[in-house]
Amino acid sequence: KQEVTQIPAALSVPEGENLVLNCSFTDSAIYNLQWFRQDPGKGLTSLLLIQSSQREQTSGRLNASLDKSSGRSTLYIAASQPGDSATYLCARFYNNNDMRFGAGTRLTVKP
Amino acid sequence: DAGITQSPRHKVTETGTPVTLRCHQTENHRYMYWYRQDPGHGLRLIHYSYGVKDTDKGEVSDGYSVSRSKTEDFLLTLESATSSQTSVYFCASGQASTDTQYFGPGTRLTVL
Repeated sequence: KQEVTQIPAALSVPEGENLVLNCSFTDSAIYNLQWFRQDPGKGLTSLLLIQSSQREQTSGRLNASLDKSSGRSTLYIAASQPGDSATYLCARFYNNNDMRFGAGTRLTVKP
Repeated sequence: DAGITQSPRHKVTETGTPVTLRCHQTENHRYMYWYRQDPGHGLRLIHYSYGVKDTDKGEVSDGYSVSRSKTEDFLLTLESATSSQTSVYFCASGQASTDTQYFGPGTRLTVL
């Protein structure tokens, strides 16, 4: 079974801090890796998708990197804001139509 | 946001009853997915569809069936609901299997 692990499970930071969320997976043979955001009681919103041939993707204050050789991806959030508070999920796209999700990191940004 | 809706949004039912959840998308996406989300397990794929009448099993398909008679609709059926199927169910769609998936708002199902 291809596992996806996210560390830490929860994180609380003061507003303005730069932070890194970690995602690790057990098999380097992937199609892509995606980062999602989930607000309480809501569905998932796609943040960034990194294809297997890419090393990183950026969108605004978000930057995601992918290191297939070590089985790791990181999501970097710059200058965090209270509105960034949510659960962040990474998902490894494994096989043709199968995504394996991590359990998520619950982020709280305090004003 | 991609136009994906789920109905009902909340449902309480009793063990042994059949339940059907509906997912509707207006993006003309080829691929559609059903997931369940449970504490400690994250999201797990139940079934997916790669076209009208084309479906396949995911990681946790036992006790579930699906149907897709139109591009825009993907139905998930629990033939005889059990308490272990109490969960939040999410539908998603995407244009290609390797493309971004867009998620619906979820259906909270409670089986008593």
